[in-house]
Amino acid sequence: QVQLQESGPGLVQPSETLSLTCSVSGGSIMSYYWSWIRQPPGKGLEWIGSIFDDGTARYHSSFKGRVTLSVDTSKNQFSLRMNSVTAADTAVYFCARHPMRDAYFDVWGQGTLVAVSS
Amino acid sequence: DIHMTQSPSTLPAYVGDRVTITCRASQSILTYLAWYQQKPGKAPKLLIYEATTLESGVPSRFSGSGSGTDFTLTISSLQPDDFATYYCQQYDTYSTFGQGTKVEIK
Repeated sequence: QVQLQESGPGLVQPSETLSLTCSVSGGSIMSYYWSWIRQPPGKGLEWIGSIFDDGTARYHSSFKGRVTLSVDTSKNQFSLRMNSVTAADTAVYFCARHPMRDAYFDVWGQGTLVAVSS
Repeated sequence: DIHMTQSPSTLPAYVGDRVTITCRASQSILTYLAWYQQKPGKAPKLLIYEATTLESGVPSRFSGSGSGTDFTLTISSLQPDDFATYYCQQYDTYSTFGQGTKVEIK
């Protein structure tokens, strides 16, 4: 079955750029939508944005201008870049799959904790 | 943005109890609503989508109802494995989650 695995630095300096990659295994990245969702410690879930296999991306209004999603179909991966991070961006970041542009998330990665600290 | 409000925030319950969690949307989302279960240190797990459709492999003691702005998740007989935090998610317009309901041992 399809599995997702997040990877990237666990510590980012304030004002720097957070970069994460989600690797898709056991299935193709094609014909599905892919999202990033985050969860600050002890808090709820927040959708960041989504991307389709053609590179079309949509973003939550809270992140527009600060976040960029990209996809590499040859590597079966998609990525998140978030610039100008602050301590408020400390969270577990999940990647997830959804069958349509606006839809439920049926497959999730295990999540990766990113701390923003000097 | 569509805002989702869950209640209660915490729900103390016994094994065997019938448990109901409510989710209210700030505007109509038809039936574009999903429910997830999350345990500490784990990713959320999809339980229900389209407000009432049970995801494959999810026990039948879980059920969902509602449309428009008001939705419920019901666990007919709470099992030890069900103590967790539950989230609703609207996907009518982009995606928004409720703040979560922690079902804890009474």
